[in-house]
Amino acid sequence: KAGVTQTPRYLIKTRGQQVTLSCSPISGHRSVSWYQQTPGQGLQFLFEYFSETQRNKGNFPGRFSGRQFSNSRSEMNVSTLELGDSALYLCASSSGEVQETQYFGPGTRLLVL
Amino acid sequence: AQSVTQPDIHITVSEGASLELRCNYSYGATPYLFWYVQSPGQGLQLLLKYFSGDTLVQGIKGFEAEFKRSQSSFNLRKPSVHWSDAAEYFCAVVLTGGGNKLTFGTGTQLKVEL
Repeated sequence: KAGVTQTPRYLIKTRGQQVTLSCSPISGHRSVSWYQQTPGQGLQFLFEYFSETQRNKGNFPGRFSGRQFSNSRSEMNVSTLELGDSALYLCASSSGEVQETQYFGPGTRLLVL
Repeated sequence: AQSVTQPDIHITVSEGASLELRCNYSYGATPYLFWYVQSPGQGLQLLLKYFSGDTLVQGIKGFEAEFKRSQSSFNLRKPSVHWSDAAEYFCAVVLTGGGNKLTFGTGTQLKVEL
């Protein structure tokens, strides 16, 4: 099976712009979760989508949003970018059951200038 | 406050030496417990997980972890470290009823001296 795919891998934006990141889960997986990784805050949970519905949400401002399509692919959007949004954004896919392994993609590295 | 603590930010060991990475959690109930590894420029890979049952869990790459309820700990061990084990290691928890939300510790950077 192909692994989790994230596009793009690298992105440079300027403050105030918006950005959309994409995640294609492993075939058959219905859950996609998003995480932000920064040197200062570490790994933080953004949100989880399961069968096109947001099932869990972390403590991020409303500028961070996401969605999931019927084929389980997911996108996350960050509007009005701030310098502090520079981070590695990771997505993880799983069947949706907590006992099942979450498989992580390689991440999208976002730099906000 | 509910948290996952990895007390060691950096650890250096010689190749062939044993390794123990510490992880403590602070939650009312025992959460589901995980160890992940991240190599530079890579995503996270699951090493092992604990939900219930035998408190000594075997994982991939020769790693094991022991759950100790009395100490709220889930320490990762490897009897003989290889140079390729150099990476960052994260302990993580999922709370019962918390869906798939992983809460991570701050990570331990492992350096292996040849």
